[in-house]
Amino acid sequence: DQQVKQNSPSLSVQEGRISILNCDYTNSMFDYFLWYKKYPAEGPTFLISISSIKDKNEDGRFTVFLNKSAKHLSLHIVPSQPGDSAVYFCAASVDRAGNTGKLIFGQGTTLQVKP
Amino acid sequence: GAGVSQSPSNKVTEKGKDVELRCDPISGHTALYWYRQRLGQGLEFLIYFQGNSAPDKSGLPSDRFSAERTGESVSTLTIQRTQQEDSAVYLCASSLQFSYNSPLHFGNGTRLTVT
Repeated sequence: DQQVKQNSPSLSVQEGRISILNCDYTNSMFDYFLWYKKYPAEGPTFLISISSIKDKNEDGRFTVFLNKSAKHLSLHIVPSQPGDSAVYFCAASVDRAGNTGKLIFGQGTTLQVKP
Repeated sequence: GAGVSQSPSNKVTEKGKDVELRCDPISGHTALYWYRQRLGQGLEFLIYFQGNSAPDKSGLPSDRFSAERTGESVSTLTIQRTQQEDSAVYLCASSLQFSYNSPLHFGNGTRLTVT
């Protein structure tokens, strides 16, 4: 039962353009969402997060949008840079007593930004 | 060290042998997590520790898997009688506290290959 889904295994964009990575979830109990970035042979690193009380969170070139009714979130990278090329994982957790640090991850989307 | 350290970085073992994977979390981090990533899949939660207590072992795939943690320090993940389906990258992460807004810091993982 895949509770967090990233249906696009890969995405290729031109440098300077916008990258949009999508994520869908099925568990309505999820109310905190995170994006992690992973380079080859390294562990994932935290990128940006959003609580369900918000629909948008922005940090520099990175913006995460949350649509609770659609159980969908997306990560926008503007402008995309070649150094952004990596695997991006969407993750979700339940922000209530217990298990709040336990993250459920999607399968990942490999982003390639071409110079 | 500044980050989460895992050893060994690579491990090749014969089917049926036992293996032990080690994780040194960031100093002061009370929460520690084990995940694994099989080829082409997302990160799969295995177990977490709050201090040296493991309240949630629900992700351990079978009774061949066990983990322990000494105080708020080193953790070891042991796989007994390894099988080929155990081949994966095993990732350890720590966080300052077990909380939704305390991001996970991952190590670079141990790539386990069972032949």
